[in-house]
Amino acid sequence: EDQVTQSPEALRLQEGESSSLNCSYTVSGLRGLFWYRQDPGKGPEFLFTLYSAGEEKEKERLKATLTKKESFLHITAPKPEDSATYLCAVRRNTGNQFYFGTGTSLTVIP
Amino acid sequence: DTGVSQDPRHKITKRGQNVTFRCDPISEHNRLYWYRQTLGQGPEFLTYFQNEAQLEKSRLLSDRFSAERPKGSFSTLEIQRTEQGDSAMYLCASSLETSGETQYFGPGTRLLVL
Repeated sequence: EDQVTQSPEALRLQEGESSSLNCSYTVSGLRGLFWYRQDPGKGPEFLFTLYSAGEEKEKERLKATLTKKESFLHITAPKPEDSATYLCAVRRNTGNQFYFGTGTSLTVIP
Repeated sequence: DTGVSQDPRHKITKRGQNVTFRCDPISEHNRLYWYRQTLGQGPEFLTYFQNEAQLEKSRLLSDRFSAERPKGSFSTLEIQRTEQGDSAMYLCASSLETSGETQYFGPGTRLLVL
């Protein structure tokens, strides 16, 4: 059964304290892995798509990486405005469903 | 670019009533998705349209739920005989087939069933 697991569930960082969020997945035939940011009461905002192991994408203080079993979202020198829930999702080669994890709630303290 | 819009943003209803939500995707996006999200969970796939055709529905979706996308533009999601367990955020997302898998989400409709 396809499964996406994110850890930790919650993370509190001091401003400037770098860390990583994990997304592990089991899916038969990965078509793509997606990272989203979600602020309270809003819809998810697209961050990155990764398609194959070894691929990396960067945007400002965020960097996403992908292996055959998991993805990491690295946050370098975070700022309070980076506080949000970060969601990971996968799509299989077959079908049109996207499977989301439960997210990591990040709080960056000034 | 006006983004994905959803209406209403909030809905309070009594158990047993029917509700209908509307989603306007980004213009020219031919793919449209509906999701349900409860507190502390990720979005859960409900259904998928390519143009006006509903190509996929979640096996977990109750037959009280129905969705349409007439003319391949806006979409509606109707819930009949609502139950308290239907209380959730209902999200719509759209994407363009030729631009990869990137989904753009709307702000959601928050439903509370009393």
